[in-house]
Formats: sequence, C-alpha cells, structure tokens
Amino acid sequence: EPEVTQTPSHQVTQMGQEVILRCVPISNHLYFYWYRQILGQKVEFLVSFYNNEISEKSEIFDDQFSVERPDGSNFTLKIRSTKLEDSAMYFCASRLTTAFSGANVLTFGAGSRLTVL
Amino acid sequence: DQQVKQNSPSLSVQEGRISILNCDYTNSMFDYFLWYKKYPAEGPTFLISISSIKDKNEDGRFTVFLNKSAKHLSLHIVPSQPGDSAVYFCAASRLYNQGGKLIFGQGTELSVKP
Repeated sequence: EPEVTQTPSHQVTQMGQEVILRCVPISNHLYFYWYRQILGQKVEFLVSFYNNEISEKSEIFDDQFSVERPDGSNFTLKIRSTKLEDSAMYFCASRLTTAFSGANVLTFGAGSRLTVL
Repeated sequence: DQQVKQNSPSLSVQEGRISILNCDYTNSMFDYFLWYKKYPAEGPTFLISISSIKDKNEDGRFTVFLNKSAKHLSLHIVPSQPGDSAVYFCAASRLYNQGGKLIFGQGTELSVKP
C-alpha cells in the first residue's frame, strides 16, 4: 500500500537553529499538507500546497515557516529559527483527488518529532 | 477557535460491546466528515467518512452517523475489539474548498478491555 514517508523520525535542536523536515508524499498525489500536534493537544493544520504554491495557511504558519517542493518527490517544511514552542510532532499528508471527486481523504505519514531545547 | 469538538477525552468499553464516539462541529459550511484512528508514534490513519448529503455510512464494524441539524456526528464500533484501542479523531472539511484542509477535534482515547 502506498505511503507517505517522513524523515527524520526524531530531531533534537537548539533554540534558534534552522530545521528542515522532509516528506515524500504518495507519488501520484496532487495536494500536500503539513500538520502538527503538540503533546496532548489536537492535530493542527499548518499549510496546504498545490501546483507548486501555498493554497492555504494557518495563523501558526508565520514567517518562520516555509514549504518547498524542490523536486518531483520531496516536500519540505523549514523552520528558520526554532522556538521552544515549536516542539511538536509534525505530520505530512497528501491527497490525490480534486474536491469535486466527492472525497477528501488525506493520507498521513508517521510524523517527525521535533524537540527544541 | 474550536470548530470541531470531541468532549470526551477518553472512553473505556468491554470487548464485544459497542463503542460510541461523539463529535460536534460549529461551522455549517462543513460538508464532509472523517474519522481517523491514531496509535502512539504513528500518523493518523483514515477509518471512515461521510458526506453531508448522507446521514449514515457503514463499513464493516464501523458506522458513522451524521445529524446535520444538531451539527453532530458519531462513530459506532460494533463489536469492539482490543485492537481498536487507539485515539480517534473526528475531522471536518469543506469539500469544494480546493485547499482541502481538515479541521480536527481533540481526540478521544478508546480503551477496549478484554
């Protein structure tokens, strides 16, 4: 079964450092997403990406965050200068269909745990 | 901004009995609803979904009910099995929103006792 893969599974970084989280979405999917889950809290939307540009972003996704699809397979989330409150599990997700197909199912990766010290 | 709420953080049921997980939403523009299951150290896994044009969708042991007037949906698992023990997230979206983002509830941790 096709899956979304994420690396690294766990990253520890110092406050103020840059972090890049990587994702390989399912190959024929068209829409890509990043979500995060702070320990004990709900899964929160960060950003959606389609046709090589951001289609929507949340209030959390400020200027410290950026996304990129540098080649045909990878989808990355960069945090420029990490803060303690960025510590969370970050999930990448992808979706094949357009909204008009009648389904809106996202497939999630296993997540990357980010710990900021 | 809690557009999707799961008011029960945890639920414990006996193996073989019914598990009922509840979810409420506030945004009447939502028209597609999903349930995801999550094990520790894994990503959410899609379980079942329902469009707002339906009030029930069934897939094996899992049934989702939607009450649009009450802005409420529920997931029924019958019979419950120990392997169903996980955190269950309700999610909502606007189907014709091209961004297609899902808004998640806080999750309900289900524990099925043998």
